[in-house]
Amino acid sequence: ELKVEQNPLFLSMQEGKNYTIYCNYSTTSDRLYWYRQDPGKSLESLFVLLSNGAVKQEGRLMASLDTKARLSTLHITAAVHDLSATYFCAVVTQGGSEKLVFGKGTKLTVNP
Amino acid sequence: DAGVIQSPRHEVTEMGQEVTLRCKPISGHNSLFWYRQTMMRGLELLIYFNNNVPIDDSGMPEDRFSAKMPNASFSTLKIQPSEPRDSAVYFCASSLDRYYGNTIYFGEGSWLTVV
Repeated sequence: ELKVEQNPLFLSMQEGKNYTIYCNYSTTSDRLYWYRQDPGKSLESLFVLLSNGAVKQEGRLMASLDTKARLSTLHITAAVHDLSATYFCAVVTQGGSEKLVFGKGTKLTVNP
Repeated sequence: DAGVIQSPRHEVTEMGQEVTLRCKPISGHNSLFWYRQTMMRGLELLIYFNNNVPIDDSGMPEDRFSAKMPNASFSTLKIQPSEPRDSAVYFCASSLDRYYGNTIYFGEGSWLTVV
């Protein structure tokens, strides 16, 4: 059974600082998604990573995927308050009926 | 595009009542997913459809839950009878061609409270 673990689960950081959120998964997969969720809101797609070594960047966020290590990272550069949200990674199972399995999320708070 | 549309946005109902949640996927998308989000269990996939056919319903909690997709533009998730532990946010999502590199778009969610 595919398990997706994110760490940290809670992250409080100051504006202007850099930090990385980690997403580990337990079985082989070559498709990984990152989502953002604001309180009381829906999930907003940030990145879709499809292959080993994939790297995508949007503004202050950069995501990467290492399928051999079963690891994805979401790097935050020079954080700003607007990035405060919960970030989820989700991994597609392989074989049989494919499913998108979510991690528990990382609640990010960026303080002035 | 209007995105994935869900209704109702909020529902409060009494235990034992039937609840029907509705979803209109993005036009042209052929995969539809129902997720449930709670603090304790996070985001769980309940069921997904591909080309209107249920592919995997192993996440449906029990027989009280049922889902249908009578056509490409409409799906329902029904709970009968409802119980307090069903209180959660239910998200519908859709994509083109399941997961094959395509973005999965989520609706705004239906916030269900069973008292």
